[in-house]
Amino acid sequence: NAGVTQTPKFRILKIGQSMTLQCTQDMNHNYMYWYRQDPGMGLKLIYYSVGAGITDKGEVPNGYNVSRSTTEDFPLRLELAAPSQTSVYFCASSYTRDSYEQYFGPGTRLTVT
Amino acid sequence: GQSLEQPSEVTAVEGAIVQINCTYQTSGFYGLSWYQQHDGGAPTFLSYNALDGLEETGRFSSFLSRSDSYGYLLLQELQMKDSASYFCAVRNTDKLIFGTGTRLQVFP
Repeated sequence: NAGVTQTPKFRILKIGQSMTLQCTQDMNHNYMYWYRQDPGMGLKLIYYSVGAGITDKGEVPNGYNVSRSTTEDFPLRLELAAPSQTSVYFCASSYTRDSYEQYFGPGTRLTVT
Repeated sequence: GQSLEQPSEVTAVEGAIVQINCTYQTSGFYGLSWYQQHDGGAPTFLSYNALDGLEETGRFSSFLSRSDSYGYLLLQELQMKDSASYFCAVRNTDKLIFGTGTRLQVFP
């Protein structure tokens, strides 16, 4: 099992550009999450999904969009990138809502200049 | 509102014991988790408490008191590789709410 994989590892965007951060898990987990982590801070939940076709907002959803067409994939879309979106983005998954362990991908380090 | 408080930094020497505290205030509570994150790495799960009391996993133990909205992570026989950030996180229905993290530095 590869676990949770994310691409790209690093990306530099110019203000106003758009991009999609990819996340794939091969553990057949129903629940998937997107977090952002600013330097020296904890993780903030952007969006999450409880299964294919179902997504919901987290604490900081503005400026982002998600979709969940399959169990395995949960891409995060940034439209009109802004410097405030410079951060490290982590995707995570868990089997059920009652699963107390989330499995994290390696992260994508994004810089918007 | 929801908030979790942890000390920002803790230092200790190899072989010592260190305790990292976490107090929380949430509208719903289903359990307290602890995650470890090395610099440049992803968070990895350490432990989980749904009920009051102590859970032990090797050198690490975690404690929860729901009446006090308080928990802690206890690290024993510290090793240099334990230098990392430690986050407590409260499970609230479908989501985890993370604290801002405690940076642990272990010195020889």
